[in-house]
Amino acid sequence: DTAVSQTPKYLVTQMGNDKSIKCEQNLGHDTMYWYKQDSKKFLKIMFSYNNKELIINETVPNRFSPKSPDKAHLNLHINSLELGDSAVYFCASRLAGAPPYNEQFFGPGTRLTVL
Amino acid sequence: AQRVTQPEKLLSVFKGAPVELKCNYSYSGSPELFWYVQYSRQRLQLLLRHISRESIKGFTADLNKGETSFHLKKPFAQEEDSAMYYCALANNAGNMLTFGGGTRLMVKP
Repeated sequence: DTAVSQTPKYLVTQMGNDKSIKCEQNLGHDTMYWYKQDSKKFLKIMFSYNNKELIINETVPNRFSPKSPDKAHLNLHINSLELGDSAVYFCASRLAGAPPYNEQFFGPGTRLTVL
Repeated sequence: AQRVTQPEKLLSVFKGAPVELKCNYSYSGSPELFWYVQYSRQRLQLLLRHISRESIKGFTADLNKGETSFHLKKPFAQEEDSAMYYCALANNAGNMLTFGGGTRLMVKP
């Protein structure tokens, strides 16, 4: 299956813990993203990486640290989890330089619940 | 700055009725607009993009630069159309999508 995959699908943890979410794409894309979808279904970009380099960082707290070991992976590590971090986190990918279509392909999401 | 507004949080229609999901944008460059759909507890998937001028699952959307709108329409709604719909705007570099707040479409039998 060619797709964007995320693990885990569900993550329940206590406040103050550190957790990671992994994302992988086998579409041959070179740009990857993390989005946060809050309880009101509002979808907001957090980070974007192109060829392992950070290109977009949308005023996300320092507790969130993305890591891209290679073009096919973009992981999200979150330190000192807070209640407000509870959300669904979506990974997405895209092939840069492929106008006019700038479609992003999304992963299935990771539902994070902080207790 | 680019901005996308979807004024309706919820749109409820009966099966067979026409549907119009509104989207307005604000962008100083040349807009590239998309509609994404998210069925219950599933990933977002692209529904259509203005540049293709296509019709997918009976949905169409026309870019109106004068009104800065990209409304999504379908003449006869089906129950399986029930989902969250997001309008999105790509920046000129194409590396960033700004999403509207989403509209939940409920199609009742």
